[in-house]
Amino acid sequence: KQEVTQIPAALSVPEGENLVLNCSFTDSAIYNLQWFRQDPGKGLTSLLLIQSSQREQTSGRLNASLDKSSGRSTLYIAASQPGDSATYLCAVWNDKIIFGKGTRLHILP
Amino acid sequence: ETGVTQTPRHLVMGMTNKKSLKCEQHLGHNAMYWYKQSAKKPLELMFVYNFKEQTENNSVPSRFSPECPNSSHLFLHLHTLQPEDSALYLCASSGLAGGWNNEQFFGPGTRLTVL
Repeated sequence: KQEVTQIPAALSVPEGENLVLNCSFTDSAIYNLQWFRQDPGKGLTSLLLIQSSQREQTSGRLNASLDKSSGRSTLYIAASQPGDSATYLCAVWNDKIIFGKGTRLHILP
Repeated sequence: ETGVTQTPRHLVMGMTNKKSLKCEQHLGHNAMYWYKQSAKKPLELMFVYNFKEQTENNSVPSRFSPECPNSSHLFLHLHTLQPEDSALYLCASSGLAGGWNNEQFFGPGTRLTVL
């Protein structure tokens, strides 16, 4: 049974710092992995999708990597801004989609 | 309208009421999904529709009844809910369900409170 873990559960960093969010999964036979952000009480916004054959994807200040063999993905955020404050979720697809509980990120002005 | 829309955004209902949640996607996708998000729990997949056909029911109680009349519209009919069903209900769509073309796009959600 696939399990997805995100550590830490919460993170506070000063504005301007680079940071890394972690996602691990137990079954490496995945189709893809997707990172989302969720603002309080809102829906999810797709950030990056990495196919199983890919190693990383980049969008602006965001870079997501995937290491299937070790069951890990990281989301790197460069030059963090207060507007990056949100909960970040990762999800993996094999026969069904499984989400982690998320990392709640707070960027301190 | 663009993306995925959901109505209503907020709903309060009694345990004996019948209500429906509506989702509409304007992305030309073929798959639609219902999720439940409760406090302090991971997002839970409830139902999957692929080309209007239900392909997954994730052991959801029968008091939740989905309907997908076409690839753009998805409903969740609610009947005799329990207080523990109070949650944020999210709808999503993707190109296809399963496989590689399933980047998920979410609606804003319906905040449901069952009294």
